[in-house]
Amino acid sequence: EPEVTQTPSHQVTQMGQEVILRCVPISNHLYFYWYRQILGQKVEFLVSFYNNEISEKSEIFDDQFSVERPDGSNFTLKIRSTKLEDSAMYFCASRQGERGYTFGSGTRLTVV
Amino acid sequence: TQLLEQSPQFLSIQEGENLTVYCNSSSVFSSLQWYRQEPGEGPVLLVTVVTGGEVKKLKRLTFQFGDARKDSSLHITAAQPGDTGLYLCVSPTDSWGKFQFGAGTQVVVTP
Repeated sequence: EPEVTQTPSHQVTQMGQEVILRCVPISNHLYFYWYRQILGQKVEFLVSFYNNEISEKSEIFDDQFSVERPDGSNFTLKIRSTKLEDSAMYFCASRQGERGYTFGSGTRLTVV
Repeated sequence: TQLLEQSPQFLSIQEGENLTVYCNSSSVFSSLQWYRQEPGEGPVLLVTVVTGGEVKKLKRLTFQFGDARKDSSLHITAAQPGDTGLYLCVSPTDSWGKFQFGAGTQVVVTP
């Protein structure tokens, strides 16, 4: 079964530092997403990416966030200056056509 | 914005019992998906339902989509401890496939 791979599984960073969360989507998928889940809360949409550009982003996805697909296989989420409230599980997902998402196992980001 | 309401929020049952969880919306679903999420893991797709009145079975799990496509249920027969998890209903919000998640039903099956 093809998988979406995320690294690292857990990252601890100091407030104000930059972090890059990495994802390798399923190879023939065309749509890529980042979602996050703050502990005890709903899964929230951050951004969708298609054809090498952002197709939609939520109000959470402000100027501190950016996404990139640097080499045709990796899909990254960068947070430029982390805040305490950025602590969450970040899930990458990819999709082919009308089928459901395939989610990665997530990166737990802890900002201290 | 379509609101997805899941009930109950929490369900604790003994192994061998049956359970049903529900997902309701204020508007018509174009399609609906059910996921199960275990602690520290990403959600895993269980099923997609598209047609009003549709029933799908996945081993001991039975998924129903309401005739009016505004509600769905997940029924587990003879629950096992391995069924423990957060069950999420999810529906697409637009053509880019941005999905909206319900808050989930936490199911705990004890031996």
